[in-house]
Amino acid sequence: KQEVTQIPAALSVPEGENLVLNCSFTDSAIYNLQWFRQDPGKGLTSLLLIQSSQREQTSGRLNASLDKSSGRSTLYIAASQPGDSATYLCAVRRGGGKLIFGQGTELSVKP
Amino acid sequence: DVKVTQSSRYLVKRTGEKVFLECVQDMDHENMFWYRQDPGLGLRLIYFSYDVKMKEKGDIPEGYSVSREKKERFSLILESASTNQTSMYLCASTPQGSDEAFFGQGTRLTVV
Repeated sequence: KQEVTQIPAALSVPEGENLVLNCSFTDSAIYNLQWFRQDPGKGLTSLLLIQSSQREQTSGRLNASLDKSSGRSTLYIAASQPGDSATYLCAVRRGGGKLIFGQGTELSVKP
Repeated sequence: DVKVTQSSRYLVKRTGEKVFLECVQDMDHENMFWYRQDPGLGLRLIYFSYDVKMKEKGDIPEGYSVSREKKERFSLILESASTNQTSMYLCASTPQGSDEAFFGQGTRLTVV
C-alpha cells in the first residue's frame, strides 16, 4: 500500500530564507508527483507537477525534484515571503488516476 | 484556466437530512474525485469516477453515494447526514493519462 509522508509537519522561518520541504513515498510505481498549496479554509492550488520520467520542475521561486528510486521529492522555495505562508501538500498519482496525499507541511514565514 | 466549481462554500445541515454536494468542471476531464479532509487525517478518497455513469469506491465510501449523469458534473450524496460527516469536502478532476489534477474551492459542511 502506498504511503506518503511529509516532514516536517510544521516549519517557521524568517522572511528571505531559502527552505526545503520533504516528501517521501513507499512505492516507486507512480505516474507523477504533484505539489499543492492550501490556504486556510480553501481548496488546493496546484504548484508543480513532475512526471515519473522527470527529475525536476521549476516555476518562479519554486523548484521541485523527484528521485523515484529512493522514493523522495523535495520542494525548494527561494527567498521566502510572508505570502508563502500556507500548508504544502504532496501527492503521488498511481494507476487509475488516484492521488495519494501526504499530511502536509504547515509553513509560516515571519516578516 | 481549468475550473472546478463546487456549489457551496459553506453548508449547515441537520442530522438525518439528505445532502447533495455538487461539483462541475469545464475542461472535459474524464476523471473526477471526492475527498474529505479532516485535521490529523489528511485527505481521504471517498469516491471517484472514470466516466459518465461509472463510479468506484475510494477508501471511505460508507455513508456516501455519488452520481455522474453528465461528464462535467459529479455529485456526492450523504443519504442521512450524521455529525461525524462534518468535514471539508474537496472535489478534483484530472484528464486521462498523467496530467495535472485540479481541485475546487472546497465545501465546509457542518452537520448539527
